Amino acid sequence: EVQLVESGGILIQPGGSLRLSCAASGFTFSSYAMTWVRQAPGKGLEWVSSISVTGGSPYYPDSVKGRFTISRDNSKNTLYLQMNNLRAEDTAVYYCAKLAGPTLYYYIHVWGKGTTVTVSS
Amino acid sequence: QSALTQPASVSGSPGQSITISCTGTSSDVGTYNYVSWYQQHPGKAPKLMIYDVSNRPSGVSNRFSGSKSGNTASLTISGLQAEDEADYYCSSYTTSSTWVFGGGTKLTVL
Repeated sequence: EVQLVESGGILIQPGGSLRLSCAASGFTFSSYAMTWVRQAPGKGLEWVSSISVTGGSPYYPDSVKGRFTISRDNSKNTLYLQMNNLRAEDTAVYYCAKLAGPTLYYYIHVWGKGTTVTVSS
Repeated sequence: QSALTQPASVSGSPGQSITISCTGTSSDVGTYNYVSWYQQHPGKAPKLMIYDVSNRPSGVSNRFSGSKSGNTASLTISGLQAEDEADYYCSSYTTSSTWVFGGGTKLTVL
């Protein structure tokens, strides 16, 4: 069974940094692209970033570009999201998700349960 | 990178059919057949319902179907059931190699 377990979400002050992790199991992690999607309280889904199996050339929306960095460690079956210079508007549930193939244009196939990040002073 | 446009809410009675639209641009929905739909119940993670415009994953009821015309994709749910009440989101790959979601549609089963 495919399992994605996010961790690292906390209450943090504006301007702070945080790294989220996503531990993957039940599939060959190194063969699938991965993604982060977030959902602010009471709001819709927002794509944050995706990374291919090789880890090269990830993309980001303007809302997080220059502040967030996605990465993966295929030896540890783990996906990461480094979040710097956090703002109140980054408050959200962050979902880790598995894409259906090795490259970025595949659809999201499986979602984790999410981890909550709250940015507040 | 504007969000895809979905109606905020739709409703229907049990047994009826409803359709949720998802309007994008020639930079996303209109160019690629990489449109997917997700169902989200309150407090739960989203669940894949339709991928690549009209394909249903294993385990998803055949009451769910998808289509696309030009810059607009659609999700149709036939034979509405109480358990279908949820939020629904469309998503599309874009020509900028990014993904974009719709704003979400709340489905109420009357």
